[in-house]
Amino acid sequence: DIQMTQSPSSLPASLGERVTISCRASQGINNNLNWYQQKPDGTIKPLIYYTSNLQSGVPSRFSGSGSGTDYSLTISSLEPEDFAMYYCQQDASFPPTFGGGTKLELK
Amino acid sequence: EVQLVETGGGLVQPGRSLKLSCVASGFTFNNYWMSWTRQAPGKGLEWVASITNSDGSTYYPDSVKGRFTISRDNAQNTLYLQMNSLKSEDTATYYCTRVNSGYFDYWGQGVLVTVSS
Repeated sequence: DIQMTQSPSSLPASLGERVTISCRASQGINNNLNWYQQKPDGTIKPLIYYTSNLQSGVPSRFSGSGSGTDYSLTISSLEPEDFAMYYCQQDASFPPTFGGGTKLELK
Repeated sequence: EVQLVETGGGLVQPGRSLKLSCVASGFTFNNYWMSWTRQAPGKGLEWVASITNSDGSTYYPDSVKGRFTISRDNAQNTLYLQMNSLKSEDTATYYCTRVNSGYFDYWGQGVLVTVSS
């Protein structure tokens, strides 16, 4: 199975700040990397697919990049609703696997 | 609007069975693979099962293989997860997800399954 490692696990940040969350795969995944946001009530919202494609309705302050084994999610200017958990997921090979999550919290 | 609504969760004793359902609407159900993903309390996300749209082939991780069965009724736009021989470590919120080329592009609100005596 491909292991996904996210960093940091916790990220204190301020409104308006630019933040980046990293995700590393245990082997190359050919850009087959997706990002999800989970709110405290459990609601999960897909954000980005295939490394850098925004899901419909996702604000343009979210962006994704990367290649090979290393990927990142960037939020250019934090809004109050962005404070949540974020997970990466690979679909390059079965089984699909998720990173351990990054908690983005208000500093 | 795509909607996925899960039902069937609850408290169940170890070793017993439970069946989850997910009613889909807002898209052509039989055009898509479907999956279940779960989240144990305070933990991350874990894929649990997938089923194809074409021939109903199924896929599971080792942690549930032989105990869980995913199925679908395309006429009723409904996805199921039959869970047998439940263990305490199966306690989690279970999410129904639509699969779009490997990407989980829609999620239900989740249903809680608690395995405890």
